[in-house]
Amino acid sequence: QKEVEQNSGPLSVPEGAIASLNCTYSDRGSQSFFWYRQYSGKSPELIMFIYSNGDKEDGRFTAQLNKASQYVSLLIRDSQPSDSATYLCAVNRGSQGNLIFGKGTKLSVKP
Amino acid sequence: GAVVSQHPSWVICKSGTSVKIECRSLDFQATTMFWYRQFPKQSLMLMATSNEGSKATYEQGVEKDKFLINHASLTLSTLTVTSAHPEDSSFYICSASNREFPYEQYFGPGTRLTVT
Repeated sequence: QKEVEQNSGPLSVPEGAIASLNCTYSDRGSQSFFWYRQYSGKSPELIMFIYSNGDKEDGRFTAQLNKASQYVSLLIRDSQPSDSATYLCAVNRGSQGNLIFGKGTKLSVKP
Repeated sequence: GAVVSQHPSWVICKSGTSVKIECRSLDFQATTMFWYRQFPKQSLMLMATSNEGSKATYEQGVEKDKFLINHASLTLSTLTVTSAHPEDSSFYICSASNREFPYEQYFGPGTRLTVT
């Protein structure tokens, strides 16, 4: 079983819609969860992190964590074409802060 | 805040030569720096983790004698690709974290290496 799994997509949503990105992880001991956005040819950019069960909102982004189900998601409200990118889910491993990344979900927001 | 720079942003070198890539944390002290490699249309692959003043910890399958990592200060880490070959051509990205927030990694802009 892969440590962090994401649907590779592409996920296509119309402009203004809600984009829902999902991620599952295998290590029940994981405590920290991150969403990164990566534009083509660029390095990842941290957009959200969540440590506790429940929802965390930041502007148009909401991260949701369910440790019992080993599931973390990212909702993007009022999606814009500029949100078109690959979204990487990352989960911490160990005490050194190492992150395990999923392969990413490619999101396409159509005008 | 949390700005990480890399230099150079791109480099072309001949097979057999060595290339050094610098990673700097500009506005915070990076107790840990990470080096990743990313091939086209693939996800990030962690190569090694380095803590300031100590030897880097390499991931399985990464040759430590080929990819030399130095983390001499709290703001600078370097990756040297020795005797580069065309298969080393890739996008190399560093990230940094600090003691206060050890799990939040901030990425540099990456270095695109092409070996001819």
